[in-house]
Amino acid sequence: DVKVTQSSRYLVKRTGEKVFLECVQDMDHENMFWYRQDPGLGLRLIYFSYDVKMKEKGDIPEGYSVSREKKERFSLILESASTNQTSMYLCASSPPGQGETQYFGPGTRLLVL
Amino acid sequence: ILNVEQSPQSLHVQEGDSTNFTCSFPSSNFYALHWYRWETAKSPEALFVMTLNGDEKKKGRISATLNTKEGYSYLYIKGSQPEDSATYLCAFDAGGTSYGKLTFGQGTILTVHP
Repeated sequence: DVKVTQSSRYLVKRTGEKVFLECVQDMDHENMFWYRQDPGLGLRLIYFSYDVKMKEKGDIPEGYSVSREKKERFSLILESASTNQTSMYLCASSPPGQGETQYFGPGTRLLVL
Repeated sequence: ILNVEQSPQSLHVQEGDSTNFTCSFPSSNFYALHWYRWETAKSPEALFVMTLNGDEKKKGRISATLNTKEGYSYLYIKGSQPEDSATYLCAFDAGGTSYGKLTFGQGTILTVHP
C-alpha cells in the first residue's frame, strides 16, 4: 500500500519562528510536491522537486524554502513564520512522466500565532 | 497561473439524489484532467485520470466525462450516499516538461444528508 507521511497533523507556532514540515514517501517516486490549502482557494503549489537536490518554485513560493537531500524525503521550511502562513499543508509524490497520479499525505494543519 | 474553475463551490443533497459538478480548464496545452476525492481527516485520493476528448470513466456510482475542445469535465454521482460527502477536486495536467505539476481547482464540497 502506497504511503506518504507527514511529520505532524497539527502544529502551533509563534510569529517569527522557523518551522520545518517533513514529508516522507515509500514509493521511490521521483517527484514530490508541497501545497497549501485555504478555504475557497483549492490546493496551491508552493514548491516541487523532480529529483534529489532539485527544486522548482510553484505558484506561491514566497516565504518558503525546501530541501530534498534524499529521494524519499521532502522538507518545507518556513524561515520566519507569519500569521498569513496559517493553513493546511499537503505533501504529495508521483512517478516521473505525464499524466501520473499524485499520492497525498494526510496534511499538517499549521496555526501561526 | 492557469485558471481551473470548479462549480458549484458547495452542494447539499439528500441521500439518494443524483448530482453533478463541473470543472473548467484551459483548452490549450492539455494533457490530462485528474479528479480527486478528499474526505475530512483523510488524504486526497485519486478517482480518475482522463486524457482523451470524449472520454468517460466510471467507478461504482461515480462517473466523469471530458471535453477537451471546450475545456470542461463533469463529475456525476448517482444515488448519493452520506459516505460520498467530501471535497471533490479537479486538476489540470499540461504534461510536457511540467514534471507532473498539477493545477487544482478550488474544489466542490459535497454534503449528503441522510
